[in-house]
Amino acid sequence: GAVVSQHPSWVICKSGTSVKIECRSLDFQATTMFWYRQFPKQSLMLMATSNEGSKATYEQGVEKDKFLINHASLTLSTLTVTSAHPEDSSFYICSARDDRAIYEQYFGPGTRLTVT
Amino acid sequence: GNSVTQMEGPVTLSEEAFLTINCTYTATGYPSLFWYVQYPGEGLQLLLKATKADDKGSNKGFEATYRKETTSFHLEKGSVQVSDSAVYFCALSKYRNRDDKIIFGKGTRLHILP
Repeated sequence: GAVVSQHPSWVICKSGTSVKIECRSLDFQATTMFWYRQFPKQSLMLMATSNEGSKATYEQGVEKDKFLINHASLTLSTLTVTSAHPEDSSFYICSARDDRAIYEQYFGPGTRLTVT
Repeated sequence: GNSVTQMEGPVTLSEEAFLTINCTYTATGYPSLFWYVQYPGEGLQLLLKATKADDKGSNKGFEATYRKETTSFHLEKGSVQVSDSAVYFCALSKYRNRDDKIIFGKGTRLHILP
């Protein structure tokens, strides 16, 4: 089956530093990927839609300069949390839509970010 | 706009009990409907889906039927196991174009006691 990987699976960083999270579709091409944020015991909040070769579309209230998204290839999207603060600590999940069947969207295992 | 409402948890059941998690939706037209499961510390996995009215999705003993007349997609399982303990999300998507989003319910946490 289709697999989406995320790296790292968890990361601890200090306030003020930047952290990059990678999302890869391993056995399919994905023109469109999505980035979500999940707070403890809550649902997923869509942060942005990432399209290969173009600028990401951010949801209302999400700071585009804070959460930089780059979708440079059909199998890789990255989310960079810039100048991280403790309130950015969260579980970040990506998903990728299979180009062969847009009805199919696959989720990565998530990245837990802790900012100290 | 489009939305999904599911029963609040947590839901606690004994092993082998019957499970129902209610889900209703609001959407124009004919969305596709999904149930996703999230095990502790993991991402989401698609559990089952239905793409048109009266379709029944099923997987791992779970079932849900797309009921347009009641705008519902309730999740059921006849005999739950401890390993079913997880958070379950009902979701919908219109899939008219590549950027269409999946809209999630708030999730229902399920605890199964041995």
